[in-house]
Amino acid sequence: DAGVIQSPRHEVTEMGQEVTLRCKPISGHDYLFWYRQTMMRGLELLIYFNNNVPIDDSGMPEDRFSAKMPNASFSTLKIQPSEPRDSAVYFCASSPLLSGGTEAFFGQGTRLTVV
Amino acid sequence: GDSVTQMEGPVTLSEEAFLTINCTYTATGYPSLFWYVQYPGEGLQLLLKATKADDKGSNKGFEATYRKETTSFHLEKGSVQVSDSAVYFCALLKINDYKLSFGAGTTVTVRA
Repeated sequence: DAGVIQSPRHEVTEMGQEVTLRCKPISGHDYLFWYRQTMMRGLELLIYFNNNVPIDDSGMPEDRFSAKMPNASFSTLKIQPSEPRDSAVYFCASSPLLSGGTEAFFGQGTRLTVV
Repeated sequence: GDSVTQMEGPVTLSEEAFLTINCTYTATGYPSLFWYVQYPGEGLQLLLKATKADDKGSNKGFEATYRKETTSFHLEKGSVQVSDSAVYFCALLKINDYKLSFGAGTTVTVRA
């Protein structure tokens, strides 16, 4: 398997524009996670899905953020409108079953810069 | 709530030096504990893990022992290499929550 695939790797956009980040989890994994990484706040869990259903979105910072998982092989994280403080690296991760010692597999991340 | 506290970096070492990164946790029940590593420009990768008290996780010369009595999971390596330069994250997983909680990360730089 190619691992968790995220696109784009880098995104530069102007404030106010809509941004869509994409993720393809590892086939067969039931859980999908979106994280945001910044110098100030470290790694923050934004939302996670189980079998395509959002389970916990308490980490989503505000209504400008939304995430969907229309099928088992694809998820999006959308920011509309984007703001400079949204600049961060966004990671997607997937896991077959997050229990015991099962690990989460991370994508390489999307570096978002909002100017 | 559940949380993980790591020693703050950055840590700078010479090659072949001994590395320790402290990690303590707060959780009810019996979480699983992990160390993840992030190399420059990449995502996080699992380095090692332990699922119950007194378990020792090990990989690539790194070790960490799950100590319930001190609620700790310190990462150690006896002789670091330049290629070990990375950011290291301690993480906790509670089974019922299905959420990984990460520490702030510790940046380690190894000089030749």
